[in-house]
Amino acid sequence: AQSVTQLDSQVPVFEEAPVELRCNYSSSVSVYLFWYVQYPNQGLQLLLKYLSGSTLVKGINGFEAEFNKSQTSFHLRKPSVHISDTAEYFCAVSPPYNQGGKLIFGQGTELSVKP
Amino acid sequence: EAQVTQNPRYLITVTGKKLTVTCSQNMNHEYMSWYRQDPGLGLRQIYYSMNVEVTDKGDVPEGYKVSRKEKRNFPLILESPSPNQTSLYFCASSPLPGRNEQYFGPGTRLTVT
Repeated sequence: AQSVTQLDSQVPVFEEAPVELRCNYSSSVSVYLFWYVQYPNQGLQLLLKYLSGSTLVKGINGFEAEFNKSQTSFHLRKPSVHISDTAEYFCAVSPPYNQGGKLIFGQGTELSVKP
Repeated sequence: EAQVTQNPRYLITVTGKKLTVTCSQNMNHEYMSWYRQDPGLGLRQIYYSMNVEVTDKGDVPEGYKVSRKEKRNFPLILESPSPNQTSLYFCASSPLPGRNEQYFGPGTRLTVT
């Protein structure tokens, strides 16, 4: 079975500061990895995903994430955040060929960007 | 515009009163799924459908039903809602599960009193 742990439930940060949102996963098989963002009163939208290949993945809105197989981590980073990045961020995994096609989500991290 | 729509967006109901939350996608996706989101738990899958007339249980199916009579629609049915089904519900669709992005609807906030 797979599980996802997001190490911080809330991350407050000032505008233009860098930010890292941490995600660790547990799985006995290789998985696909995703970061989704949920803006207030909206559904989730994909920020980026890792399927294979280069371990540094670039996504939308200036976000990037690095896959570390030895540490089973997939941390999300942005070098300079904006007020508009305030949202909840979810890390998720999906095992290849998994029955049900479900995404297994972490608990979410609330990013709060202050002026 | 490619999208997943859900209705209603907000619903307050009483215990035991049957309700249906509709979900529709216009992307011709084979795969559709329902999740519920609860604080501190992230999203958990309720039911999924690989294609028309093919549905199966996810991790938390108790108290829910679904149907997939048409490719674009995947309604979620609560036959006898209870307060522990108070939650935020999301419908999602995808061409095929696994490596593909899932597209989420805007969510339905359900309160059962």
